[in-house]
Amino acid sequence: ETGVTQSPTHLIKTRGQQVTLRCSSQSGHNTVSWYQQALGQGPQFIFQYYREEENGRGNFPPRFSGLQFPNYSSELNVNALELDDSALYLCASSLDGAYSNQPQHFGDGTRLSIL
Amino acid sequence: AQTVTQSQPEMSVQEAETVTLSCTYDTSESNYYLFWYKQPPSRQMILVIRQEAYKQQNATENRFSVNFQKAAKSFSLKISDSQLGDTAMYFCAFIPQGAQKLVFGQGTRLTINP
Repeated sequence: ETGVTQSPTHLIKTRGQQVTLRCSSQSGHNTVSWYQQALGQGPQFIFQYYREEENGRGNFPPRFSGLQFPNYSSELNVNALELDDSALYLCASSLDGAYSNQPQHFGDGTRLSIL
Repeated sequence: AQTVTQSQPEMSVQEAETVTLSCTYDTSESNYYLFWYKQPPSRQMILVIRQEAYKQQNATENRFSVNFQKAAKSFSLKISDSQLGDTAMYFCAFIPQGAQKLVFGQGTRLTINP
């Protein structure tokens, strides 16, 4: 069973740039959730994708957007990067999202640093 | 608003001791799920234990057990015979049935000393 994998592991960008983070879900999972974890804080929910559709969104501005592909892998895109976007971005996959309440399994995260 | 509170920012115990991490939550939902996740320095968030709110029996996974008090909205984690590899940040998390997002607490940094 392949776990959740994220790429890249670390990324450095400057203010105003755009970034794309990638996530491959655990085999058999059709739901991907993205979280932002600022240093010393608990993760905050960004949004969830279920079968290629956005299925819930947290309190994040529209410059945070995402995609889910037919193989259930996912991308998180952030435009017009700000200093406060510096954080660990975690991807979690699960089976049938909110409809099953199966546990979410996390990847190792992407550390994004904004200069 | 649904919130999770972990009142112990840091804890430290000796190897082989028992330690209890506290968590309280606030919700008006009657059906929900509670979790403890462990995040070592490697960054991966690892599921430790899960509790369904409709189950009165406390969940147990090897050395890890919970004390779930639904009326008090309390969900503590007990680690028995602690090991050096238990050193990590521990997050309490909550999700209502049918919801998409996990709500996390601020975390407790646990250090197991040799």
